[in-house]
Amino acid sequence: EPEVTQTPSHQVTQMGQEVILRCVPISNHLYFYWYRQILGQKVEFLVSFYNNEISEKSEIFDDQFSVERPDGSNFTLKIRSTKLEDSAMYFCASRQGLSGNTIYFGEGSWLTVV
Amino acid sequence: AQSVAQPEDQVKVAEGNPLTVKCTYSVSGNPYLFWYVQYPNRGLQFLLKYITGDNLVKGSYGFEAEFNKSQTSFHLKKPSALVSDSALYFCAVRDGSSYKLIFGSGTRLLVRP
Repeated sequence: EPEVTQTPSHQVTQMGQEVILRCVPISNHLYFYWYRQILGQKVEFLVSFYNNEISEKSEIFDDQFSVERPDGSNFTLKIRSTKLEDSAMYFCASRQGLSGNTIYFGEGSWLTVV
Repeated sequence: AQSVAQPEDQVKVAEGNPLTVKCTYSVSGNPYLFWYVQYPNRGLQFLLKYITGDNLVKGSYGFEAEFNKSQTSFHLKKPSALVSDSALYFCAVRDGSSYKLIFGSGTRLLVRP
């Protein structure tokens, strides 16, 4: 069964450093998302991406965050200058579009900022 | 604004017994409802969804959910629980036309042998 894959599975970074989280969405999907889950809290929407541009973003997704689809398969989330409060599990997700209503999630990238 | 409530932090059942994990929602317009499961140190796995049609929706691993419009509920059920069903379960609603998912706080299901 096709799946969303994410790398790295776990990253530890120092406060102030830049981090790039990578995702390979399901191949025929057109809509891409990032969500995050701070330990013990709800899963929160960060951003949606379609046709090479952001279609929606949450208040969390401020100027330190950016997304990019650098080629036909990868979808990345960059955090420019990490803060302690960015420590969370980051989930990439994708949706086929058209009649495809289901959003499929990856295994997550656990980011620890120290 | 759309919202989802999962009133129980934890549900405990014995293996072989039926289980119910509760979810209520608040939406404007037609609800698009989803259940996801998260096993330890794993991602969110899609279980089932309600978009339209029959109120009883069947999904993966023997799970089903009942949509009740009058009670604005979408409870997850399984007739006979397995120890391997122990996990964190999330109910979610789609936010109108944006396809953004709004998640509940999650319910931890513990199935005792």
